[in-house]
Amino acid sequence: GENVEQHPSTLSVQEGDSAVIKCTYSDSASNYFPWYKQELGKGPQLIIDIRSNVGEKKDQRIAVTLNKTAKHFSLHITETQPEDSAVYFCVSGGGYNKLIFGAGTRLAVHP
Amino acid sequence: DAGVIQSPRHEVTEMGQEVTLRCKPISGHDYLFWYRQTMMRGLELLIYFNNNVPIDDSGMPEDRFSAKMPNASFSTLKIQPSEPRDSAVYFCASSKRTGMNTEAFFGQGTRLTVV
Repeated sequence: GENVEQHPSTLSVQEGDSAVIKCTYSDSASNYFPWYKQELGKGPQLIIDIRSNVGEKKDQRIAVTLNKTAKHFSLHITETQPEDSAVYFCVSGGGYNKLIFGAGTRLAVHP
Repeated sequence: DAGVIQSPRHEVTEMGQEVTLRCKPISGHDYLFWYRQTMMRGLELLIYFNNNVPIDDSGMPEDRFSAKMPNASFSTLKIQPSEPRDSAVYFCASSKRTGMNTEAFFGQGTRLTVV
């Protein structure tokens, strides 16, 4: 079945540093790759997404890249701030809006 | 819109009892998803509906789990009988497909504890 692998599972950085999370997916038919952020006690919330016809997308301090040939995609957060601390999920979206989540990365940003 | 609304927020029940989780999707959304989140298994897709029809229930763990969507504004996930290993946070999400995949909006979740 469809599978999304995400690394690392935990990431600890100093405020101001960059953070990178990487994912691979298995379903060749996937064409939508959103990233979700989950804060304690809340449901996941979309922070950025990229579609298969685009290789890179940026929104302020957040950027995502996609390599469809290699089935890799990644999230880059620059100038990290304490409020970026949360669990981040990469997601592979295929047919019929089906969204498969990676295992999550717990990011801790230390002041 | 108030977003996706789930009830109850917390549920504690004894093993063997029936549990019903409820979800009200965002008005106008035509997809509804049920996910289960645990430390061990992460976020698992249990089942999802399109226009009230179940599309894929391959993630439903066993026959003790069932889900229904009687109309566009309401869905239930039922566990009967419940077991301690069902303890998890259950999320409902909804989305509106506009020719291509789009963002899923999640509810606050229901934390289920089976003792």
